[in-house]
Amino acid sequence: QSALTQPASVSGSPGQSITISCTGTSSDVGSYDLVSWYQQPPGKAPKVMIYEVNKRPSGVSNRFSGSKSGNTASLTISGLLAEDEADYYCCSYAAGNVLIFGGGTKLTVL
Amino acid sequence: EVQLVESGGGVVQPGGSLRLSCAASGFIFDDYMMHWVRQVPGKGLEWVSLINWDGGTAYYGDSVKGRFTISRDNDKKFLYLQMRDLRSDDTAVYYCGKGRGGKYIDCWGQGTLVTVSS
Repeated sequence: QSALTQPASVSGSPGQSITISCTGTSSDVGSYDLVSWYQQPPGKAPKVMIYEVNKRPSGVSNRFSGSKSGNTASLTISGLLAEDEADYYCCSYAAGNVLIFGGGTKLTVL
Repeated sequence: EVQLVESGGGVVQPGGSLRLSCAASGFIFDDYMMHWVRQVPGKGLEWVSLINWDGGTAYYGDSVKGRFTISRDNDKKFLYLQMRDLRSDDTAVYYCGKGRGGKYIDCWGQGTLVTVSS
C-alpha cells in the first residue's frame, strides 16, 4: 500500500490551466478506472472533485477535469481562480477494497 | 443535507485506547459503506478503514491492521473506530467519510483530532 506519487506543488496565474499528475502502479491506478481527486482548502475537510477518473459530482465546476493513461492519472484545472488555491489529493481503489491516496499537491494561484 | 460529525478525539498515552464516533444524518445510512481516513497535521491523507453496509465486512490499512476495529450501528446511524495500542504515529485528524461502493468518498466530516503523547 505505497502512496501514489504527486508533485509537491504546482502554481499558475489566474485564467491559466494547470495539470497535477498522480502516478501509481499496475496494481492500483493502472488496474482500475477508480481514481478520485479531492480538494482540501487550508483548515477544512476534503471535498471530492472528480471520481471514476473523469466524472464530476453535481455542483463541481466543469473547469475541473480528469484523465488517465496507464499508471498515471491527471487532474486539470482550467481558467484558474484564486478560490482554487488548496491542496489536492488523488486516490485510487486497489484490490481488497483498499483506497490509496497520493501525497498531495499544493496549488498556488499567483 | 448530508452531515457527518465526528467526536471522541483527545489526548491519550502511548499504548492506550480511544473510540471515535461519527454521527450520520441526511441520508439512508445503511445503504452506504463508510470509511475512516486520517491526516497527520500538515501532512497528507491516509486511508484507515472501510466497513460495508451491514457491518459484516471490514477492511483496514496495513498500519492499523490488528489494532483498530471499525463498526457501525445502523439503528443509531453511527460509525465507530475503536483504536487500541495507540502509538505516537497515530496522532492525526480522523475523518469519517460516506463511501460510494467503497470506491471513493463523496462526503466527509469535519474531523476529530487524536493526539498520542505521554
